[in-house]
Amino acid sequence: GESVGLHLPTLSVQEGDNSIINCAYSNSASDYFIWYKQESGKGPQFIIDIRSNMDKRQGQRVTVLLNKTVKHLSLQIAATQPGDSAVYFCAEGLSGTYKYIFGTGTRLKVLA
Amino acid sequence: GAVVSQHPSWVICKSGTSVKIECRSLDFQATTMFWYRQFPKQSLMLMATSNEGSKATYEQGVEKDKFLINHASLTLSTLTVTSAHPEDSSFYICSASFGDGTEAFFGQGTRLTVV
Repeated sequence: GESVGLHLPTLSVQEGDNSIINCAYSNSASDYFIWYKQESGKGPQFIIDIRSNMDKRQGQRVTVLLNKTVKHLSLQIAATQPGDSAVYFCAEGLSGTYKYIFGTGTRLKVLA
Repeated sequence: GAVVSQHPSWVICKSGTSVKIECRSLDFQATTMFWYRQFPKQSLMLMATSNEGSKATYEQGVEKDKFLINHASLTLSTLTVTSAHPEDSSFYICSASFGDGTEAFFGQGTRLTVV
């Protein structure tokens, strides 16, 4: 079936550096994508989203890039901080269907 | 805004008993609520989708008689794990959405341990 996958299960970055977390999706019909952050023992926290009619969206210290040609999504975190340490999930869906498929997750470790 | 609260945050129960988990949208009316299950170090797996006043739609492989979902109002959905067994131990997370459903707000999760 359709699925969303991640290339890197664990990413370690130095504090202050930029982080890039990647995600590949396989359902070409998906038109809405979200990045979530999940800290240990907590529910996912919305970070940023992007619709398929865009290829880039910026938030506070975060940028999401969407490449529909290769079905690739990335999350860029600028000036990574210790508080950014968490597991990050990408999710894909069809707007209006209310259903998202989550990727496997990438653990981000920020080194002091 | 857009706060979703789950209760309890953790529960331990004996094998064979049933456990009810509540999911409430505190400051908005949720058109749709979703229940996910997450095993350690794994991703969220959608179990079912529920709309207020109608029967839940279960994902393939999820036993509807095992995981009873009731969505009695626009602010409350409950998940009851019936005749729980140790393999049902997991982290259960709900989410709720409104409007066109493009953004879902997640609860803090419920850690269920069946002994």
